[in-house]
Amino acid sequence: QVQLVESGGGLVKPGGSLRLSCTASGFTFSDYYMSWIRQAPGKGLEWVSYISTSSSTIYYADSVKGRFTISRDNAKNSLYLQMNSLRAEDTAVYYCARDPSAGHFDYWGQGTLVTVFS
Amino acid sequence: SYVLTQPPSVSVAPGKTAGITCGGNNIGSKSVHWYQQKPGQAPVLVIYYDTDRPSGIPERFSGSNSGNTATLTISWVEAGDEADYYCQVWDSSSDHPGVFGGGTKLTVL
Repeated sequence: QVQLVESGGGLVKPGGSLRLSCTASGFTFSDYYMSWIRQAPGKGLEWVSYISTSSSTIYYADSVKGRFTISRDNAKNSLYLQMNSLRAEDTAVYYCARDPSAGHFDYWGQGTLVTVFS
Repeated sequence: SYVLTQPPSVSVAPGKTAGITCGGNNIGSKSVHWYQQKPGQAPVLVIYYDTDRPSGIPERFSGSNSGNTATLTISWVEAGDEADYYCQVWDSSSDHPGVFGGGTKLTVL
């Protein structure tokens, strides 16, 4: 069965960095687009970043552009999100999600919590 | 950037029909996807490409999309349908294409 498992969340001070990972299993990872989506405490969903199957196309939300970097390693069935210059408003649960069509998200991980506070 | 507008809350009695709207400029020209999220859980896709249901999603869930409004309809509502619902589109004309609505809390009375 399809599984997406995020890791790497935690507590970090403003200005700090974290690297999130998402390990995929149960499907051919290299065949699917992937995205990161986040949810601040008590708030709605916010799409963060997208990467195509070959990493040739990458998009970011304006709120993270220039600070976050998405990447993937198809040989390791893994998706990453390097987060730099973190701010309090980046505090959220971060989900990785599988995208079969460059348009919607058919499977989601359980999320990893990132807390930015001083 | 493209904006999706949802009502913050909708209430419905068990056994009745709930409609959750998602407004956007000429949204009928885009594909709309819907997600259900229960407390403490990850979102689950319930409708994609306006009207399609993933396997395992009950037929009670249906969708429509025309003009400036897309609608998720839940027929014969059950207590277990109480959740937050989000609409989503992919704005392929944008360099930040992923867009979610603000979410609607469905309360089953």
